[in-house]
Amino acid sequence: DAMVIQNPRYQVTQFGKPVTLSCSQTLNHNVMYWYQQKSSQAPKLLFHYYDKDFNNEADTPDNFQSRRPNTSFCFLDIRSPGLGDAAMYLCATSRDPRTGGMETQYFGPGTRLLVL
Amino acid sequence: GENVEQHPSTLSVQEGDSAVIKCTYSDSASNYFPWYKQELGKRPQLIIDIRSNVGEKKDQRIAVTLNKTAKHFSLHITETQPEDSAVYFCAASLYNQGGKLIFGQGTELSVKP
Repeated sequence: DAMVIQNPRYQVTQFGKPVTLSCSQTLNHNVMYWYQQKSSQAPKLLFHYYDKDFNNEADTPDNFQSRRPNTSFCFLDIRSPGLGDAAMYLCATSRDPRTGGMETQYFGPGTRLLVL
Repeated sequence: GENVEQHPSTLSVQEGDSAVIKCTYSDSASNYFPWYKQELGKRPQLIIDIRSNVGEKKDQRIAVTLNKTAKHFSLHITETQPEDSAVYFCAASLYNQGGKLIFGQGTELSVKP
């Protein structure tokens, strides 16, 4: 009964080779988030979606892109991965916090990206 | 923007003792404060949260207190057990900023048997 699913769990890519990470959810939440977490650090928000409305953090590098084709799925594309992009990438979902106060964010298991 | 400071960065206690982790935030408009527990290689798991209209919340051995005036909130774990060992993150959020979470730096809690 997994609620937020991320594939793959481990991804190895080469320096400069585009890579796509995927996230899906069975919660029917309209908000989805992508976080980057490096070793021994806190998760850092990259961007989030209200439905299909994309919101980019000001300090998210252009190298990171995202797509959300429907409510259930969201993708993180790294166009030209560098060694510094090696990290755990966490997807999270929540109900819309604007409709009545804060809503819990549920995290997926993460995809650990290794860049060779 | 919001900034969250968390202390201590590491905490070691004996099994059965209490553990307290403290966080301060900068944006007085923040109104939601969750705490996440993250075991090595696993996802962050929500353990407790508090909204700005509440001063304290308790769930079995875990409690959170919020002081809006001072802009700080704390996690209290009583009767600690070895399985409580993990990294704990506090976070602050504004619902009208997309609900995005600004995390503290994390506290690595070690409970020694």
